[in-house]
Amino acid sequence: AQTVTQSQPEMSVQEAETVTLSCTYDTSESDYYLFWYKQPPSRQMILVIRQEAYKQQNATENRFSVNFQKAAKSFSLKISDSQLGDAAMYFCAYRSLNTGNQFYFGTGTSLTVIP
Amino acid sequence: DVKVTQSSRYLVKRTGEKVFLECVQDMDHENMFWYRQDPGLGLRLIYFSYDVKMKEKGDIPEGYSVSREKKERFSLILESASTNQTSMYLCASSPYPAGGGAYEQYFGPGTRLTVT
Repeated sequence: AQTVTQSQPEMSVQEAETVTLSCTYDTSESDYYLFWYKQPPSRQMILVIRQEAYKQQNATENRFSVNFQKAAKSFSLKISDSQLGDAAMYFCAYRSLNTGNQFYFGTGTSLTVIP
Repeated sequence: DVKVTQSSRYLVKRTGEKVFLECVQDMDHENMFWYRQDPGLGLRLIYFSYDVKMKEKGDIPEGYSVSREKKERFSLILESASTNQTSMYLCASSPYPAGGGAYEQYFGPGTRLTVT
């Protein structure tokens, strides 16, 4: 099975600064999807950004962008101009197109935003 | 907007009870999933279903069963609840990834289950 590793259990950032959350994954597949999810203290998990593996261009959604390095199997999330509302648990996820379309999640990174 | 609802936000049950957690989605998604979330362990897949009456075991199916009689509803059953099943349970749904689209999962609000 695929594994997803988030090596930073906790991160903090000053308001208005930039922070990068790391994610690596292990797979033998050539085609797959990658996601970053956000889980605020209210617990509803929501999608932040997605990346198709066949696309070389890094995805961007407003203040959120990714650095997708397919050969290195790395998928980091950059949050620019951090806001208090960005404080949450962030999960990296891998979606297989082969193993029953399962999603594989990392263990999460808890982000604190310091005013 | 896609909506995934779960029957309870908080639930307290006694050891040995049979527990039902219900999940309903309103977007005609083929795939539905049950996870448990524990601190430091992330989300672990219990079961998933890719069609009505179809189910597949995830990484931690022991002590759980599921039922999917209708496309919009996916139930998680704890046959005999134990204290080590105290956890947050998340339901999710997702369309089948046809056409090359990166279809994400949509999550419900979660059920915090405490077994005493």
